[in-house]
Amino acid sequence: DGGITQSPKYLFRKEGQNVTLSCEQNLNHDAMYWYRQDPGQGLRLIYYSQIVNDFQKGDIAEGYSVSREKKESFPLTVTSAQKNPTAFYLCASRNRQGPPYEQYFGPGTRLTVT
Amino acid sequence: GQNIDQPTEMTATEGAIVQINCTYQTSGFNGLFWYQQHAGEAPTFLSYNVLDGLEEKGRFSSFLSRSKGYSYLLLKELQMKDSASYLCAVRGLHSGYSTLTFGKGTMLLVSP
Repeated sequence: DGGITQSPKYLFRKEGQNVTLSCEQNLNHDAMYWYRQDPGQGLRLIYYSQIVNDFQKGDIAEGYSVSREKKESFPLTVTSAQKNPTAFYLCASRNRQGPPYEQYFGPGTRLTVT
Repeated sequence: GQNIDQPTEMTATEGAIVQINCTYQTSGFNGLFWYQQHAGEAPTFLSYNVLDGLEEKGRFSSFLSRSKGYSYLLLKELQMKDSASYLCAVRGLHSGYSTLTFGKGTMLLVSP
């Protein structure tokens, strides 16, 4: 079955700790994205990557970092510099070469930092 | 910049029809998407419009007017399982790359 996996589904951390959220896809998609969703809010773009070893900052990249060493994987690190890290994090991917044009989403990771 | 507006909440009755509107302002418009999101779950794709007009897909239809910066999602024969948040997303340019900008979502509550 092709799809996007994110693990874990729930993650708890203490303030001041860095934490890495995993995202893996076997859809052979070039483009991958990280979003953050807060209650009552839409999805906000954190980082995205169009190809391996290249990525761009989204609208709210401060306090986050990413890497794209493999096509299938796009991990997101939430650093201690992120002031409000508690949120629902969603990873997505899409085919850059043509239809279908939509982004496919993973199940999400709910991060709670106390 | 990009700006997307949609109503925060809507209510409807099972079996009825509901229209969820979305207005947008964007640079480099290259398509509009509607996603459905149940609480605590990932968004799932519903529809895509890039040209003006109506796209129909079973009980769901989506309309786009590029000149007016306006779209709507029409849900017919509402079912209880349609209670969810509906996200309007516009594809535009961000640092020269194609990305999606999402509205805040419309929470639809379907009652018996």
